Amino acid sequence: QSALTQPRSVSGSPGQSVTISCIGTSSDVGGYDYVSWYQQHPGKAPKLMIYDVSKRPSGVPGRFSGSKSGNTASLTISGLQTEDEADYYCCSYAGRYTPYVFGTGTKVTVL
Amino acid sequence: EVQLVESGGGLVQPGGSLRLSCAASGFRFSSYEMNWVRQTPGKGLEWVSSISSSGTKIYYTDSVKGRFTISRDNAKESMYLQMNSLRAEDTALYYCATYTASSPAFDYWGQGTLVTVSP
Repeated sequence: QSALTQPRSVSGSPGQSVTISCIGTSSDVGGYDYVSWYQQHPGKAPKLMIYDVSKRPSGVPGRFSGSKSGNTASLTISGLQTEDEADYYCCSYAGRYTPYVFGTGTKVTVL
Repeated sequence: EVQLVESGGGLVQPGGSLRLSCAASGFRFSSYEMNWVRQTPGKGLEWVSSISSSGTKIYYTDSVKGRFTISRDNAKESMYLQMNSLRAEDTALYYCATYTASSPAFDYWGQGTLVTVSP
């Protein structure tokens, strides 16, 4: 199972919107509505930001949203804030025997 | 409060062994699947292994099959990863993680334990 493909980096100014893509296959992203997104600040454990493609856990700001079309999932951060500067990883369920595949990760920089 | 605390990491020579532990608290450990996820220094996340709540369903990523063994002790609310025949490419920060909702998304993570495989 290959890692899902994400852009290495994206950037935006405070208040702007950025979108991170996550490209998989029909065996993972395209096959299940179980895409999740994680935020990771340096030296910290990942934090769940989006699950089931577009649902936000309690406490995650509404400026984070997720979507999916075919084999590509996306995370959008609207109204970018300085504390959003972090690494972001997508993850997809991929079936019983290799249940989870992560993306390559994207560094979000707030200019 | 849910807590996952990993231990057992360290420096080991290639071909050596280590046993990682993950101590859980704050939730009904025996009801949930548990996972190991690793992160290579400066690189991305990789799912390593998962074990069902009862311990009867176990899965591994291909690169560790035959070398790593996952297990759990529900009475002790702990999960383990026995790592044998370690290679340089196993060097990583190992996290234990779980999901407590109905969706397979990791809502709880430990702080990680570092495994370094080097001569």
